Amino acid sequence: TQLLEQSPQFLSIQEGENLTVYCNSSSVFSSLQWYRQEPGEGPVLLVTVVTGGEVKKLKRLTFQFGDARKDSSLHITAAQPGDTGLYLCAGYNNDMRFGAGTRLTVKP
Amino acid sequence: KAGVTQTPRYLIKTRGQQVTLSCSPISGHRSVSWYQQTPGQGLQFLFEYFSETQRNKGNFPGRFSGRQFSNSRSEMNVSTLELGDSALYLCASSSGFTGRTGELFFGEGSRLTVL
Repeated sequence: TQLLEQSPQFLSIQEGENLTVYCNSSSVFSSLQWYRQEPGEGPVLLVTVVTGGEVKKLKRLTFQFGDARKDSSLHITAAQPGDTGLYLCAGYNNDMRFGAGTRLTVKP
Repeated sequence: KAGVTQTPRYLIKTRGQQVTLSCSPISGHRSVSWYQQTPGQGLQFLFEYFSETQRNKGNFPGRFSGRQFSNSRSEMNVSTLELGDSALYLCASSSGFTGRTGELFFGEGSRLTVL
């Protein structure tokens, strides 16, 4: 059983569409991170959220941390083929625990 | 500055053998964490070392061990390899003084295949 549950597990969309990926847990985290991993590479940090209810924007990506610091969402606007990859959420409490990831494919 | 370096990138072993993987963290980083990534289980935390001491440990059997040297470089060892140990092993470095945030910087991983 994963400490962090991500949904959906797989997502295939057309270029230009919007999408939201969810990360849920029954545990409270002091912070939560989102990473993106491309084939043959290690995960790369996208954002860190710390405060309950916090919203951060990174160009077309919007990240939200739940009020209770147990869940998070990642929204991508007007997805592009370059957004294709494995999106991982990770919760931090003394060590980092990862969700299983959402594998996103954006078709041109 | 240089990123996290893992060696070897690829290796093939047979059941019963043992393997040692190496990780050089970002210069100045004192914490090194190891993760196992498989398609079925995702990223599973193995252990974290900080200043040559194991600071945290995940739920893996004793066949998985690690150590950290005074220059912060780390090695992990898997003994008596099993088929299920086939995975991408990722090393991540951080400053170790993370407070509430814990951001990690990953290497490209070592892909182990056990036959």
